[in-house]
Amino acid sequence: NAGVTQTPKFQVLKTGQSMTLQCAQDMNHNSMYWYRQDPGMGLRLIYYSASEGTTDKGEVPNGYNVSRLNKREFSLRLESAAPSQTSVYFCATIYRVSAGELFFGEGSRLTVL
Amino acid sequence: QKEVEQDPGPLSVPEGAIVSLNCTYSNSAFQYFMWYRQYSRKGPELLMYTYSSGNKEDGRFTAQVDKSSKYISLFIRDSQPSDSATYLCAMSGKTGNQFYFGTGTSLTVIP
Repeated sequence: NAGVTQTPKFQVLKTGQSMTLQCAQDMNHNSMYWYRQDPGMGLRLIYYSASEGTTDKGEVPNGYNVSRLNKREFSLRLESAAPSQTSVYFCATIYRVSAGELFFGEGSRLTVL
Repeated sequence: QKEVEQDPGPLSVPEGAIVSLNCTYSNSAFQYFMWYRQYSRKGPELLMYTYSSGNKEDGRFTAQVDKSSKYISLFIRDSQPSDSATYLCAMSGKTGNQFYFGTGTSLTVIP
């Protein structure tokens, strides 16, 4: 029972390169989220998917795209990476907001040179 | 003004001390209040969850919510070195799908 699995755990990119962060959950949760965490800024929501087939922008969506591939998987794509996107990215899931516990993955550390 | 404000610290206390962590918020629609603990290089994990106003106790941890003042607190009694982590407050409304996080308070408990 893995919970929330993020891949890759570490990645170094050059400016302008593209990459996709993958998130998969085995908890049958409806909602999935992508956050970025930067020193002094806390967790900031990039995109979320309330249910399969829907996605919505969060606080900092610029430079990112997402795909809710199915109920289990939610991917985050950087089309043209910039140094400002150097961060730790967390995927999180919840059955529904009123259910309380948001489950987080271990994080993906991205450095853009 | 940010939706949720949290003193970033850092906070350093001796083992056995009582720790008080606090957040304020501006949105009166928030109904669900959470505290997450995050160890270094790990994802946040839920520590306490409360609905609406009042207190909730779990072992050495007590969460308080004062909706009239838009103020939430987490108290840690008999703090241990294993409590050293970053503590994030979070909240959400009855409708909508988003959670709003504080910036986190870094706590170190010195043996």
